[in-house]
Amino acid sequence: DQQVKQNSPSLSVQEGRISILNCDYTNSMFDYFLWYKKYPAEGPTFLISISSIKDKNEDGRFTVFLNKSAKHLSLHIVPSQPGDSAVYFCAASANTNAGKSTFGDGTTLTVKP
Amino acid sequence: NAGVTQTPKFQVLKTGQSMTLQCAQDMNHNSMYWYRQDPGMGLRLIYYSASEGTTDKGEVPNGYNVSRLNKREFSLRLESAAPSQTSVYFCASTMSEGNYGYTFGSGTRLTVV
Repeated sequence: DQQVKQNSPSLSVQEGRISILNCDYTNSMFDYFLWYKKYPAEGPTFLISISSIKDKNEDGRFTVFLNKSAKHLSLHIVPSQPGDSAVYFCAASANTNAGKSTFGDGTTLTVKP
Repeated sequence: NAGVTQTPKFQVLKTGQSMTLQCAQDMNHNSMYWYRQDPGMGLRLIYYSASEGTTDKGEVPNGYNVSRLNKREFSLRLESAAPSQTSVYFCASTMSEGNYGYTFGSGTRLTVV
């Protein structure tokens, strides 16, 4: 049973427009959520996170929204740039879980010039 | 540059051979993790070390062993490699077992034939 799901394997958007990447989770013990970005042949890079006590966290062009009742989070990138083209992983962890994160399968974002 | 260093970057093994994947971080992080990523899938936790001197199993520990040699180094050993262990292996570290994003290494691409 996959506890973190990214149902869209891929997403294509035009440069300058908004990219919205979605993530759903099933484990109600998760209380911290993270997004990572991964380029080919590199390790993932931490992008942004949100605690369950918040519903929004913003960092420059990146905003993460959390809907606890729906067990859903999303990453918004505005405006999208060609350099944002990468695989984005959603991850979740629980305070009681020694920092272990559970990852989704990733969404490949392509931003077209 | 500070970060997580993994060696080797690539390796081909024959079934039954053994090898050790090395990982070192120079950020004075307490917690270290080994994940594997199979094609089209997210990262799955193999083993982790919440602090120096401790190691614990993750989601997919069978066929692997680990050693937290000191605070900087966390190695992953395959005693008898199997084709099912063909994957990309990522080492990661974080400040503590709290809610912090990981810093990942660039990965080891392992093929078992």
